[in-house]
Order: sequence, then C-alpha cells, then structure tokens
Amino acid sequence: EPEVTQTPSHQVTQMGQEVILRCVPISNHLYFYWYRQILGQKVEFLVSFYNNEISEKSEIFDDQFSVERPDGSNFTLKIRSTKLEDSAMYFCASSEPDRGGDTQYFGPGTRLTVL
Amino acid sequence: QKEVEQNSGPLSVPEGAIASLNCTYSDRGSQSFFWYRQYSGKSPELIMSIYSNGDKEDGRFTAQLNKASQYVSLLIRDSQPSDSATYLCAVIHSSASKIIFGSGTRLSIRP
Repeated sequence: EPEVTQTPSHQVTQMGQEVILRCVPISNHLYFYWYRQILGQKVEFLVSFYNNEISEKSEIFDDQFSVERPDGSNFTLKIRSTKLEDSAMYFCASSEPDRGGDTQYFGPGTRLTVL
Repeated sequence: QKEVEQNSGPLSVPEGAIASLNCTYSDRGSQSFFWYRQYSGKSPELIMSIYSNGDKEDGRFTAQLNKASQYVSLLIRDSQPSDSATYLCAVIHSSASKIIFGSGTRLSIRP
C-alpha cells in the first residue's frame, strides 16, 4: 500500500540554524500539507500546497518557513533560523485528487529538536 | 474562530465493550469530518471519514454525524487492547483545505 515517507525521522539542530525536512507524498496525490505537533499539544496546520504554489497557510507559517517541490516526488519544509519553540513533530500529508483533496494521509513524522 | 472540541479523557472501557467518542465543532460551513487514531509518538492514522448526516459503518467502527447539532461521534464495538490510543476528531471547512484537529480523547481499553 502506498504511503507518505519522511526523512529524517529525527533532526537535532542548534538554535539559529537552518533545517530542511523532506517528504515524499503518495505518487498520484496532488495536494500536499505540513502540520506540526508540539509535545502534548494538538496537531496544527502549517501550510497546504497545490499546483506548485501555496494554497493556504496558518499564522504559524511566517517568513521563517518555506515549502518547495524541487522535483516530481519530493516536498520540503525549510525553517530558515530555528527557534527553541520550533521543537515539535512535523508531519507531511498528501491527499487524493479524486476526492477534491480532502482525505489526507500522514507520513510518520520528523521529530525536530532545537537546542 | 473555527474550533473542534473533544473531551481529553482518559476514557477507560473494558475489553469487549463499546467505546463512544464525541466531538463538537463550531463552524457550520464544515463539510468533511474525520476520525484519526494516534498512538504515542506516531503520526495520525485515518480511521473513518464521513460527509453526510447519519451513520457510517466500517468493521468495528461507526461514525455518526449530526450537522444540525454540529456533532460527530465514533463508536468502537468489541473494544480491543490495541484500540488504546488517542482519537483525534478532525474537520475540514472546504475541499483541499486544512484540517482542524481537536486535542484528542485518550482511550484506554482495560483487559
């Protein structure tokens, strides 16, 4: 069964450093998303991406964040200058085009630790 | 403010019994409703989706939606220890848009 994959599974970085989190969505999906979950808190939407552009973003997704689909398979989230409060699980999701993009399947997540 | 509310639990249910999980949402424009299961340290796993009023059954799971009351629920029949997890209610306002998650209900199935 096809699934969303994410790398790395765990990323440790120093405050102020740039990180890139990588995702490979399910191959025929056209809608892509990033969510984050701070330990013990709810899953929060960051950004959605369709047709090579951001379709929606939350107030969390400020100028420190960017997303890119550099090729036909990868979808990346970049955090330019990490802060302590960026420590969280980051989940990538993708959804099926024939459902209008609303049934979202999640990857296993990347645990980001900012020291 | 679009919100999804759930009782945080923990909800303790004996093995073999029915577990009932509830959720309310604030935005009447919501169109798509989901239940995800999340084991500790893992990603959300889709259990059920429901789009119209009434019941939808899939194996041991039944989702119920009442748009007039802005209420969605999940019933788990014949509860198993492996059902012990946090159950996330999730709502989408319009297609291809963000999921708004509730904070989850922690379910514990006791042998």
